[in-house]
Amino acid sequence: DSGVTQTPKHLITATGQRVTLRCSPRSGDLSVYWYQQSLDQGLQFLIHYYNGEERAKGNILERFSAQQFPDLHSELNLSSLELGDSALYFCASSRITGTPYPNEQFFGPGTRLTVL
Amino acid sequence: ELKVEQNPLFLSMQEGKNYTIYCNYSTTSDRLYWYRQDPGKSLESLFVLLSNGAVKQEGRLMASLDTKARLSTLHITAAVHDLSATYFCAVEPSNDYKLSFGAGTTVTVRA
Repeated sequence: DSGVTQTPKHLITATGQRVTLRCSPRSGDLSVYWYQQSLDQGLQFLIHYYNGEERAKGNILERFSAQQFPDLHSELNLSSLELGDSALYFCASSRITGTPYPNEQFFGPGTRLTVL
Repeated sequence: ELKVEQNPLFLSMQEGKNYTIYCNYSTTSDRLYWYRQDPGKSLESLFVLLSNGAVKQEGRLMASLDTKARLSTLHITAAVHDLSATYFCAVEPSNDYKLSFGAGTTVTVRA
């Protein structure tokens, strides 16, 4: 158990709908990262938040958005869902951002999203 | 764009034999991570390699990093069934905090 929690574990929804995925980082971690894992794209970085502020964006679609709240939990919002959005979505957290410290990221259990 | 290439992508191991997984990357970095993922599960951190020449060992697994060659290896000694999983390397580029992952190496250990 990494200490990172994610809810829900599974989500089944229809095309065009909107869903929210939730993540609570490990105690003391200020950084939260979201990744998407699919068979065809592999593990793709989506977005990084540090202490409530967006720090970096990766291959995140405009239909997707995220935020990190004052209590450091984060939510990933996916809207106008398409079949291709079906994937495993992971949240990861890390303790310190910035050199010289390593950015070892600890992953949550993931949310499996199925869009029908 | 940073490219991270792992090979092989699939590895069928015989119990008791030694094998190596390779991870090549295309940009300057002195930080590389290895993760393990069991089917349907999350990613578990195995090794953190922070400098050129770094070597870490845990049980039957040993990871090393050559930043000049932009290459990391994960060596498996005397494979056992419990090591069946998918192994990912992830690179943290200099001056960037996000991780770029390789495609993963799916390992199956047979008797």
